[in-house]
Amino acid sequence: NAGVTQTPKFQVLKTGQSMTLQCAQDMNHEYMSWYRQDPGMGLRLIHYSVGAGITDQGEVPNGYNVSRSTTEDFPLRLLSAAPSQTSVYFCASRDRGLGYTFGSGTRLTVV
Amino acid sequence: SQQGEEDPQALSIQEGENATMNCSYKTSINNLQWYRQNSGRGLVHLILIRSNEREKHSGRLRVTLDTSKKSSSLLITASRAADTASYFCATDGPYASGGSYIPTFGRGTSLIVHP
Repeated sequence: NAGVTQTPKFQVLKTGQSMTLQCAQDMNHEYMSWYRQDPGMGLRLIHYSVGAGITDQGEVPNGYNVSRSTTEDFPLRLLSAAPSQTSVYFCASRDRGLGYTFGSGTRLTVV
Repeated sequence: SQQGEEDPQALSIQEGENATMNCSYKTSINNLQWYRQNSGRGLVHLILIRSNEREKHSGRLRVTLDTSKKSSSLLITASRAADTASYFCATDGPYASGGSYIPTFGRGTSLIVHP
């Protein structure tokens, strides 16, 4: 039982490049979310999903896309990276009414 | 839009002392959760308290909830150096689907426990 697995752990992108942050969970959780964490800002919700085929926007969705074709996977796509997207990204999943299980994060730097 | 805000932002204590952190929120909630984050790691769920509960315990953790004051507190008793971490509260945010809310997080309290 691996929990929530995020890859890669570190990434450096050039401005304008695109990439996909991977997130997979093996707990059959319905709910999955992506957050970004910046110094002094706490965690801000980017996108979330309440089941396969269902996604919705959070607080800071601009510049990011998500899809949920399976229960297990919830990738986050950066369409055209900008320095403002330099952050630590966390994926999390949970069952209804329970707490989140977080991945270990992806530290992204956009230069 | 952060629903919950932790107070204080930073707390420094000696090993063996108790640590108390508070969380205030703005609108009615279904539940409130507390998480711990060690430096450079993901968040770890500590405890969930529902809106109809007033107090909950888990080991050295005690969480209280006062819905009339829209506030919660996390007490860590007999703290240890290993408790050094950031602590976050998460409450129902404005994002919901299928009748279930997606938690939003505060900025956290940074706790340092000196050996």
